[in-house]
Amino acid sequence: GAVVSQHPSRVICKSGTSVKIECRSLDFQATTMFWYRQFPKQSLMLMATSNEGSKATYEQGVEKDKFLINHASLTLSTLTVTSAHPEDSSFYICSASRIWDFGNEQFFGPGTRLTVL
Amino acid sequence: KNEVEQSPQNLTAQEGEFITINCSYSVGISALHWLQQHPGGGIVSLFMLSSGKKKHGRLIATINIQEKHSSLHITASHPRDSAVYICAAIFNYGGSQGNLIFGKGTKLSVKP
Repeated sequence: GAVVSQHPSRVICKSGTSVKIECRSLDFQATTMFWYRQFPKQSLMLMATSNEGSKATYEQGVEKDKFLINHASLTLSTLTVTSAHPEDSSFYICSASRIWDFGNEQFFGPGTRLTVL
Repeated sequence: KNEVEQSPQNLTAQEGEFITINCSYSVGISALHWLQQHPGGGIVSLFMLSSGKKKHGRLIATINIQEKHSSLHITASHPRDSAVYICAAIFNYGGSQGNLIFGKGTKLSVKP
């Protein structure tokens, strides 16, 4: 199956710093990439949807100035958490979408665990 | 409102048992994913289906579009199957193609 990678897998940073997370589709060109956040013992929540070359669409309640998404190519999307605070500590997961006969199939990255001290 | 509900929330089984996890959704969907999340957090997509039944090894997924219901079955369960299983649906609403709505997950623990 298709492979999606994320980097880094784990990051610890100080409050006030910015953190960049990369999401790459390794063996296919992704029409769309999605960013999710998961707090402990909770379900995944969609943060934003990004298409290559256009601005990301953010879900209600997600601050676009805090969570900067850049979708530079059909195989790379980045999420930058700016001025991170402890409440931003979470598990961030990306997925990359590929069109198949009946819709979009999503392939998930392994996730990035962010801890803000 | 588009909703996905899973049951049970927690499931403990003995090795070798047949396991069923259920998922129901509120309105029409274009497709449904079954995902597996291990304790480290990484997610693996097990199945994506829009009708009928799919099988991969000891895993079987079925979906009944009319009843708005899907099931994930694990035959001859093994401790390595212990994980959280998540149902996620792609709903038929405009402008959100590909967006998934997730169930809360079923935490499966298989005892040796």
